[in-house]
Amino acid sequence: GNSVTQMEGPVTLSEEAFLTINCTYTATGYPSLFWYVQYPGEGLQLLLKATKADDKGSNKGFEATYRKETTSFHLEKGSVQVSDSAVYFCAPDTGRRALTFGSGTRLQVQP
Amino acid sequence: DAGVIQSPRHEVTEMGQEVTLRCKPISGHDYLFWYRQTMMRGLELLIYFNNNVPIDDSGMPEDRFSAKMPNASFSTLKIQPSEPRDSAVYFCASSLFRGKSGYTFGSGTRLTVV
Repeated sequence: GNSVTQMEGPVTLSEEAFLTINCTYTATGYPSLFWYVQYPGEGLQLLLKATKADDKGSNKGFEATYRKETTSFHLEKGSVQVSDSAVYFCAPDTGRRALTFGSGTRLQVQP
Repeated sequence: DAGVIQSPRHEVTEMGQEVTLRCKPISGHDYLFWYRQTMMRGLELLIYFNNNVPIDDSGMPEDRFSAKMPNASFSTLKIQPSEPRDSAVYFCASSLFRGKSGYTFGSGTRLTVV
């Protein structure tokens, strides 16, 4: 089945710092790849996605590139804000089963 | 659209009581998922439906848990009898065409069993 490895959190950054959250996955076939974000007290929200190799998903200043050769989908943002403080989840989807989420990475941005 | 609607937002119950969680998916979505989130185990898939039919319930912890989807606009997750270890946040999510555009999650139900 699918599995995801995300970097352990919490990740603590100062405002305007560069963010990278690593994600590697194992999956059969060629999955679509997703990043979801969970703000405190809320459900998960789709942040961005990529559906094939070398695709770059982007949204709200966040980006992630589908790297088939390294089975990775690392999340990046050039300048984080306090409002980006949340838990971020990486998830591959082969279409064979429901989404399996990683353990999540908590991001804390300090002013 | 109002999004995926879950009720109640919070539920506190005594051990041994029956608990029913409710979910209204986005109109037109043909998949519905129930997840459970805890600090120890993260997000776990409990069960999912396609066109109101349960497809995979292998994540349902035990016979105390049951889920139904009597129509396209309503689903329930029932725990009977409840136990303290069932305390968690339960999320419902829905999607169209098996989630190629992603899932839409509800705000969750925080269940506390004392």
